[in-house]
Amino acid sequence: KNQVEQSPQSLIILEGKNCTLQCNYTVSPFSNLRWYKQDTGRGPVSLTIMTFSENTKSNGRYTATLDADTKQSSLHITASQLSDSASYICVVSANSGYALNFGKGTSLLVTP
Amino acid sequence: DVKVTQSSRYLVKRTGEKVFLECVQDMDHENMFWYRQDPGLGLRLIYFSYDVKMKEKGDIPEGYSVSREKKERFSLILESASTNQTSMYLCASSLPQFQAFFGQGTRLTVV
Repeated sequence: KNQVEQSPQSLIILEGKNCTLQCNYTVSPFSNLRWYKQDTGRGPVSLTIMTFSENTKSNGRYTATLDADTKQSSLHITASQLSDSASYICVVSANSGYALNFGKGTSLLVTP
Repeated sequence: DVKVTQSSRYLVKRTGEKVFLECVQDMDHENMFWYRQDPGLGLRLIYFSYDVKMKEKGDIPEGYSVSREKKERFSLILESASTNQTSMYLCASSLPQFQAFFGQGTRLTVV
């Protein structure tokens, strides 16, 4: 069964610090991996999308990495801001089928 | 700008009521999805549709049905609402194998 595991489940960091969120998956055959940010009470918003051939992709202070061999991805947030407090969800698509495979998310709290 | 619009942000319904959740997208996407999101469980797929009048069951279809009469609109129907269907419902749309765009969510409470 296709699975997506995220860690940690939750994280608290001080404003200005960096953090890294992890995503491991077993989805096969792999098509692409996306990171979404979901603010409380809102729908998820896409941060990055990466295909098999991409190792790194940045979106401002967010940098996603992908190792398709080990089936791991990370999302690195640099110089965190209070507005980064949200749930971050890793989503992996397979080359077959239509459904998206979601991780359960990492809940990030950035404190002053 | 890409837009997926869900008809309500908050809904309160009584047990046994028939409930309609509407979702409209303006991007001419083939794929549309309905998910529910519960604490500790993440997003779980209820139904998806890859074309007009086409639908496929997701992981948790029991107690739900869907309708897609037009490409831009995907409706989720709770035939007889129950308290265990209290949840956040998220609609999404996408082109095949491309990123999904989500609506703002509908928080449904069944009392």
